[in-house]
Amino acid sequence: AQSVTQLDSQVPVFEEAPVELRCNYSSSVSVYLFWYVQYPNQGLQLLLKYLSGSTLVKGINGFEAEFNKSQTSFHLRKPSVHISDTAEYFCAVTNAGGTSYGKLTFGQGTILTVHP
Amino acid sequence: ETGVTQSPTHLIKTRGQQVTLRCSSQSGHNTVSWYQQALGQGPQFIFQYYREEENGRGNFPPRFSGLQFPNYSSELNVNALELDDSALYLCASSLIDSYGYTFGSGTRLTVV
Repeated sequence: AQSVTQLDSQVPVFEEAPVELRCNYSSSVSVYLFWYVQYPNQGLQLLLKYLSGSTLVKGINGFEAEFNKSQTSFHLRKPSVHISDTAEYFCAVTNAGGTSYGKLTFGQGTILTVHP
Repeated sequence: ETGVTQSPTHLIKTRGQQVTLRCSSQSGHNTVSWYQQALGQGPQFIFQYYREEENGRGNFPPRFSGLQFPNYSSELNVNALELDDSALYLCASSLIDSYGYTFGSGTRLTVV
C-alpha cells in the first residue's frame, strides 16, 4: 500500500517570500509523483509531475519540486509567492508503470495562505 | 481543446436515494477515473475505466458503480446514499500510459 504525508496542514507566508510545502511518501515500489493545486470550489490543476529523469522538476506558475528517493520526499518550492498562490496544494503518488495506473493516492493537503 | 466537464455542479439528495453523476472527458483521452473528496480531506480513488471496463478500484463498496461510454464520457452511480457520501466528486481523464490526468471541477453532493 502507498501513503502520502503532507507535513504541514497550513502554511502562512507573506507576499514575495519564499515557500516550501513538504511531502513525504511511502511505497514498496517505484513511484511517480505529482503536485496539484485546488482553488476554492474548483477541481485540481496539475502544477508539476516527476516520472523520470532530472530529480528537479519545474512546473507552472514558478513552482518547482525536488524528488529525493533516499528521503522519500517530494517537496514543493517557490522562491517568491503572490497573493494569487493562495490555495490548497495536494501531493500525490502512483505506481510507476504498474497495474494500478490511474490510481493516484493523495495527501491530506496543505493550505497556503499568502498575506499582503 | 475542451477540458473535463462534470454535471451537475451541485446536488442534494436524501439518505437512501440513488444518484448519477456525469463526466465528459477531455478530447483525445481514453481513460476516466473518479475520486471522492470529503471536506478537509484529499481525494480518494473510487475506480477507473478504460475501454468501457473497470480496470482498477479503490476501497469503496459495490453500491458505487460506473459506466464509460464509447465516446469516453462516464457516469458514477451511487445507490442507497448515506450521510457520509456527502463530498465533492471529481472526475479525471487521461490518455492511457501518459500519466497526464485532467480533472473536472467536480460535483458537490450533499446527502440529508
